[in-house]
Amino acid sequence: GAVVSQHPSWVICKSGTSVKIECRSLDFQATTMFWYRQFPKQSLMLMATSNEGSKATYEQGVEKDKFLINHASLTLSTLTVTSAHPEDSSFYICSASEGNGYTFGSGTRLTVV
Amino acid sequence: QQQVKQSPQSLIVQKGGISIINCAYENTAFDYFPWYQQFPGKGPALLIAIRPDVSEKKEGRFTISFNKSAKQFSLHIMDSQPGDSATYFCAARLNQAGTALIFGKGTTLSVSS
Repeated sequence: GAVVSQHPSWVICKSGTSVKIECRSLDFQATTMFWYRQFPKQSLMLMATSNEGSKATYEQGVEKDKFLINHASLTLSTLTVTSAHPEDSSFYICSASEGNGYTFGSGTRLTVV
Repeated sequence: QQQVKQSPQSLIVQKGGISIINCAYENTAFDYFPWYQQFPGKGPALLIAIRPDVSEKKEGRFTISFNKSAKQFSLHIMDSQPGDSATYFCAARLNQAGTALIFGKGTTLSVSS
């Protein structure tokens, strides 16, 4: 089946630094990828939709200058959290769309100290 | 109109029992209804999915029942096992290419042995 690889699985960074999270579709081409954020014991909150070769579409309330999304190829999308602060600490999950299905990455636990 | 309402928030079931989780929606433009299972610290994994032209779909111990007129769908887990203890999310997708899934708030299932 479809596999989405997300890396790193966890990262700790200092406040003010930037962190990049990668999401790769391993065995299919993903025209569209999605980035979610999940707080403890809560549901997945859509942050943005990225389409290969075009600018990402951000959900209302998501700062596009803080959460930079790049979808440069059909198999890779990246999320960069810029100038991270403790309130950015969360679980970030990517998802790739193939046909009618949606496959999710294993998530990245970001802790900003 | 864009929401998917999920209940209950938490559920405790005896081993061997039936777990039932319900979801409701308003928007008739939804055309795809998946259920995901998520373990702590992991991304969601697709369990089973259904389209509105089908009233029931079964895969192993997991069954989706779909009531189009009532705009409701439910997940039944037969012969529940301790290994089924996880958080379950229902979701829905608008009938538009490249759109993200809209998730319910989740149900935490605990199966006691």
